[in-house]
Amino acid sequence: KAGVTQTPRYLIKTRGQQVTLSCSPISGHRSVSWYQQTPGQGLQFLFEYFSETQRNKGNFPGRFSGRQFSNSRSEMNVSTLELGDSALYLCASSLEGGRGEKLFFGSGTQLSVL
Amino acid sequence: KQEVTQIPAALSVPEGENLVLNCSFTDSAIYNLQWFRQDPGKGLTSLLLIQSSQREQTSGRLNASLDKSSGRSTLYIAASQPGDSATYLCAVTDSTLTFGKGTMLLVSP
Repeated sequence: KAGVTQTPRYLIKTRGQQVTLSCSPISGHRSVSWYQQTPGQGLQFLFEYFSETQRNKGNFPGRFSGRQFSNSRSEMNVSTLELGDSALYLCASSLEGGRGEKLFFGSGTQLSVL
Repeated sequence: KQEVTQIPAALSVPEGENLVLNCSFTDSAIYNLQWFRQDPGKGLTSLLLIQSSQREQTSGRLNASLDKSSGRSTLYIAASQPGDSATYLCAVTDSTLTFGKGTMLLVSP
């Protein structure tokens, strides 16, 4: 069974550009959540999608957005990039996104903003 | 707002030692607590998940305990090995998942 796949693995952008990251969950998993990891702030929750609907959202500006497709694949978009957006972006999937469920993480996309 | 603290931030031990990693959280109204392992530049691997009604979980050489009323959890690693070197994160689930900043563990041969 394939794990959670995130593409691309590395990305370099300049300030003001926008970026789209992709996450393919484990087959059969319908919940996808996104996290930002930085050395200073650690891991912070961005948002969670279930059945193509955003179910929960963390405390990030509107420049951060996402969506989920009917096959449960999810994309995350960051517009008007800032230097502080440089981070490892992780996605995780689970069956239903229930609070008792184990999360399976991808290897992440390392975004560098110059 | 939930806050999760992990102590120590870093730990270096010789192979074979038993060790304990600590995690504390400020709001005890949680659904569960999870311990994860993260290797450099990689994603997270779930090690143990303890439901709020449980006191501990065990997997191989790992044992995690949860004291919800005091807002504490410990991860016990028995007979540490160099392959255990990684960052260990704990996370609690209430309305969202809140992570601690992790303990970086180095086990030297």
